[in-house]
Amino acid sequence: EVQLLESGGNLVQPGGSLRLSCTASGFTFNDYGMTWVRQAPGKGLEWVSAVSPTGGTTYYADSVKGRFTISRDNSKNTLYLQMDSLRPDDTAVYYCAKNSGGYFGLLEYWGQGTMVTVSS
Amino acid sequence: EVVLTQSPGTLSVSPGEGATLSCRASQTISGNYIAWYQQKPGQAPRLLIYSVFARATGIPDKFSGSGSGSDFTLTISRLDPEDFAVYYCQQYRSSPHTFGQGTKVEIK
Repeated sequence: EVQLLESGGNLVQPGGSLRLSCTASGFTFNDYGMTWVRQAPGKGLEWVSAVSPTGGTTYYADSVKGRFTISRDNSKNTLYLQMDSLRPDDTAVYYCAKNSGGYFGLLEYWGQGTMVTVSS
Repeated sequence: EVVLTQSPGTLSVSPGEGATLSCRASQTISGNYIAWYQQKPGQAPRLLIYSVFARATGIPDKFSGSGSGSDFTLTISRLDPEDFAVYYCQQYRSSPHTFGQGTKVEIK
């Protein structure tokens, strides 16, 4: 059974930093791309960032480019999102998702999310 | 960046009736890289449909996808209470893999 468990969400002040983690199990982690998607309170889904199976290729939404860094440690089956220069509009539930093996970007399985609140 | 526009924003439907949700892309989505997700309150999204037409594992045939080019549709037949939720389309043809803003299907 595929399981994705996000952690690291917290209350942080504007301008601060936070690192989210997503621990995966139930599949061969280093065979699949991974994606972060966020959802602001009461709003829709926003695609944030994705990484290739090896970690060698990364993709970012314009809204986070230069501030967020996606990475992965395949030896630990863990995906990360380093978030710097946080702003109030980064407040959201952050989901990690396993990409399909056949289609990079197709989100087959999702974690339950971790809440990030950016506020003074 | 591909912009996906979903309509309507809210759809009021009686249980047992069907629903048709629309997703229009700002440019042609070659290769049929369109997916649909369902999200219920307090839950993570769930993949329903991929490659425009294909149902994800375990998804009943009451959910069907159609369309081509830049216009895509999710059809839900015979709505049951558990089908009332928010539905999102997504394109995964090119990064950023954008989502539509969602259609809420509510009980009439």
